[in-house]
Amino acid sequence: EAGVAQSPRYKIIEKRQSVAFWCNPISGHATLYWYQQILGQGPKLLIQFQNNGVVDDSQLPKDRFSAERLKGVDSTLKIQPAKLEDSAVYLCASSLALGASGEETQYFGPGTRLLVL
Amino acid sequence: KNEVEQSPQNLTAQEGEFITINCSYSVGISALHWLQQHPGGGIVSLFMLSSGKKKHGRLIATINIQEKHSSLHITASHPRDSAVYICAVRSYLTGGTSYGKLTFGQGTILTVHP
Repeated sequence: EAGVAQSPRYKIIEKRQSVAFWCNPISGHATLYWYQQILGQGPKLLIQFQNNGVVDDSQLPKDRFSAERLKGVDSTLKIQPAKLEDSAVYLCASSLALGASGEETQYFGPGTRLLVL
Repeated sequence: KNEVEQSPQNLTAQEGEFITINCSYSVGISALHWLQQHPGGGIVSLFMLSSGKKKHGRLIATINIQEKHSSLHITASHPRDSAVYICAVRSYLTGGTSYGKLTFGQGTILTVHP
């Protein structure tokens, strides 16, 4: 079974530029997550999709970040314009769905390492 | 105060040692996850717990819901166990009728020397 795919793996941009990341979740997984992981910290949820609908985007800096999952499969995360503090690893994860007890296993992609200069 | 606190932040061990990583949380949860992150960023789910204890190979995870505490144990540690271990909890939304976001601890960096 193919895992969660992300591209690019690495990106270096200058501040104020734009950047986009792509994620292809595991086939059949309804739930997709984007996380931001700053060096030395645990991942922080940016946005959660259930199929093509947004479940939680409370921690997404909406003035500069946007994400979409138009057909309920692939997703893109965009930053425009980027700031120095956006340097981080951006992780995509997917899961089948939350069970009745709230339990699920998330499968993570390899991440995109972003450096903003 | 973070909702999820891990200790220690850094842990160095000799091959063969028994290792314990702790996780404390401050909110009501529906499940707790232990994750492993290797250099290069890939994250693998090790355990998902809502009560009691789970074992997989040399790894054991326990949770005490009343004390809001979980531990991850590694028996007979090996250099290939060197990684960052992350605890994450899924909280209940108000009213306990649906499920909140997954909140992660800052991770414990484990280095096992041969």
